[in-house]
Amino acid sequence: DAGITQSPRHKVTETGTPVTLRCHQTENHRYMYWYRQDPGHGLRLIHYSYGVKDTDKGEVSDGYSVSRSKTEDFLLTLESATSSQTSVYFCAISELYYEQYFGPGTRLTVT
Amino acid sequence: AQTVTQSQPEMSVQEAETVTLSCTYDTSESDYYLFWYKQPPSRQMILVIRQEAYKQQNATENRFSVNFQKAAKSFSLKISDSQLGDAAMYFCAYRSAVGYGGSQGNLIFGKGTKLSVKP
Repeated sequence: DAGITQSPRHKVTETGTPVTLRCHQTENHRYMYWYRQDPGHGLRLIHYSYGVKDTDKGEVSDGYSVSRSKTEDFLLTLESATSSQTSVYFCAISELYYEQYFGPGTRLTVT
Repeated sequence: AQTVTQSQPEMSVQEAETVTLSCTYDTSESDYYLFWYKQPPSRQMILVIRQEAYKQQNATENRFSVNFQKAAKSFSLKISDSQLGDAAMYFCAYRSAVGYGGSQGNLIFGKGTKLSVKP
C-alpha cells in the first residue's frame, strides 16, 4: 500500500464549526487530491495540489479550502461545516503520468 | 468536459463465473488514460487495471481484463473466475493526458457498479 494516512478517520461535528482534515504521505509524490464520495455520485474532486503552495479548485470546491505547506501534508478545511458536507472524504496522491493512490478515507458527519 | 457513465448500478455473478462491467466515456481528446478501481466494504480504493488510449492492446491483470474500444468510447472490465473477495463497488475513471497547470492528473469517475458474488 502507498504510504498515505488520513486523520481523523471519523469525525462528528456540529453545523457552523470549522473542521480540518489532514492527509499525510510518505511517498514524496508531487500531486495530492481531495475527493468526496456520496451515494449516487461516485467520487468528486474538491481541490488538488500540484506542488507546495500550488493548489487549484476541483468540481465541488464551494465551502472548502486547502493548504499545502509541505510536500507530505495536504489539509482540507471546512470553514463553517454544513449538513450537506456530511460525506466520506478521500485523499489521493500521484506522480504526473501515473495512477492515483488513495488514503483510507475520513467519514465526516455534520449534525 | 469529459464524462464517464456506468450504466449498471448493480450486478451479480455466481462464484467461479465471468462477469463484465460496462463503462462508456465522452471526450474529444485523443490521448488519455482509463482506470478501474475497486472499493470493497473496507472503503479502501484499490487500483485494478489501467489502460493507455494510445495502446491498442487490452490491459490484463491476472483475472481482470478490459475490452477497450476507442472508437466506441467504451471500456468494460471482465472478471474471470469470480471470487467472493471480488464483491465490491467498481469505479471506472478517466484521466486526460493534457491539461493546464496541474490538472493533468485529475480523475473523472463514474458513479460506480456494485458487484455481488453469490457462493
